[in-house]
Amino acid sequence: AQSVTQLGSHVSVSEGALVLLRCNYSSSVPPYLFWYVQYPNQGLQLLLKYTTGATLVKGINGFEAEFKKSETSFHLTKPSAHMSDASDYFCAVSGARGGSGNTPLVFGKGTRLSVIA
Amino acid sequence: DTAVSQTPKYLVTQMGNDKSIKCEQNLGHDTMYWYKQDSKKFLKIMFSYNNKELIINETVPNRFSPKSPDKAHLNLHINSLELGDSAVYFCASSQIPYEQYFGPGTRLTVT
Repeated sequence: AQSVTQLGSHVSVSEGALVLLRCNYSSSVPPYLFWYVQYPNQGLQLLLKYTTGATLVKGINGFEAEFKKSETSFHLTKPSAHMSDASDYFCAVSGARGGSGNTPLVFGKGTRLSVIA
Repeated sequence: DTAVSQTPKYLVTQMGNDKSIKCEQNLGHDTMYWYKQDSKKFLKIMFSYNNKELIINETVPNRFSPKSPDKAHLNLHINSLELGDSAVYFCASSQIPYEQYFGPGTRLTVT
């Protein structure tokens, strides 16, 4: 079974400050890992993904995340927060790699990011 | 050219009614999903279809019945709606084993 834990349901940062959203996962197979952002009243948009290869992955809007197998973590960072980054962020794991290929995403409970001017 | 579309975007109905939500993807993906997002924004898989075949049915009441007429469409029919069915329902598609693309969601309110 797979699970995702996002530490901190609400994170608040000042504009221009570092953004760090934490995600830890549990998976019995090598995982695929994803970060999605959900803007108000909209669907989920993929920020970035880790499937294989380089453990530091870069995504859209200046976000990046590092897969650390030893820590079972996939934390999301951005060097400098912008007001437009305020939204809900979801970490998700899929066990597709090594599995049957039809594994759906298992999501964390989400973290709401607030950016203070 | 919307990748994953859902209709309707909002659905308000009374308890006991039957309603359907439609989903279409134009990405050529083989697999489609329905997720439910509750009032606390928690997302959980409901169903997964691969090439029109039901793959996953996650302990969802049998009042919920998905139907996939072809691999580009996955509809969700809900019978005898209950208050607890109020949520946002998201359709998604993927080309296994890659990322999933989500529709804009359907906000269902049962009164």
